[in-house]
Amino acid sequence: DQQVKQNSPSLSVQEGRISILNCDYTNSMFDYFLWYKKYPAEGPTFLISISSIKDKNEDGRFTVFLNKSAKHLSLHIVPSQPGDSAVYFCAASVPYGTYKYIFGTGTRLKVLA
Amino acid sequence: DTAVSQTPKYLVTQMGNDKSIKCEQNLGHDTMYWYKQDSKKFLKIMFSYNNKELIINETVPNRFSPKSPDKAHLNLHINSLELGDSAVYFCASSQGFSWTMGAEHTDTQYFGPGTRLTVL
Repeated sequence: DQQVKQNSPSLSVQEGRISILNCDYTNSMFDYFLWYKKYPAEGPTFLISISSIKDKNEDGRFTVFLNKSAKHLSLHIVPSQPGDSAVYFCAASVPYGTYKYIFGTGTRLKVLA
Repeated sequence: DTAVSQTPKYLVTQMGNDKSIKCEQNLGHDTMYWYKQDSKKFLKIMFSYNNKELIINETVPNRFSPKSPDKAHLNLHINSLELGDSAVYFCASSQGFSWTMGAEHTDTQYFGPGTRLTVL
């Protein structure tokens, strides 16, 4: 049972335009959400996160939006740059004594120069 | 300075062998994790240790045993390797703390570069 879903396996965007990556979840107990970026042969790199008590968090070119009623999370990258080309994973955390992350299957973003 | 490091980066071995993967973090974190990324690129938690104590143990075969000599290290031992164990294994760490109702949760995990294990 996939509790965190990224329904778009890939996305291509022109340089300078906005990239929007989407993530849906099913567990209403999730209380912390994160986006990670991953380059080939490297580990996931933390990008941005949002607590469930907020609906938006911004860090430079990256903004994460959380819609709890729709159980939907999105990452906006503006403007997109060729160096943003990578696989993006969303993750959701559920209280488990400590915290346990559930990852989506990733979306491969390609930013075209 | 590497925050979370793993060795080796690549590991090729025969079925039935026993192997270990080492992980070290210099972030001063209390909690460390092992994840497995399978051929479908699905990243799934295997184990979590907090201050050398096992706190998350997912449905993982007994052939996999984590060992934490101190809170900066979490090693993964795999006995009697099978073909299906071939995957990329990631170590991660976070500050970690217990859940408290009403408190904002902001515990972020930081990942190592991964170890690609190939079982022949």
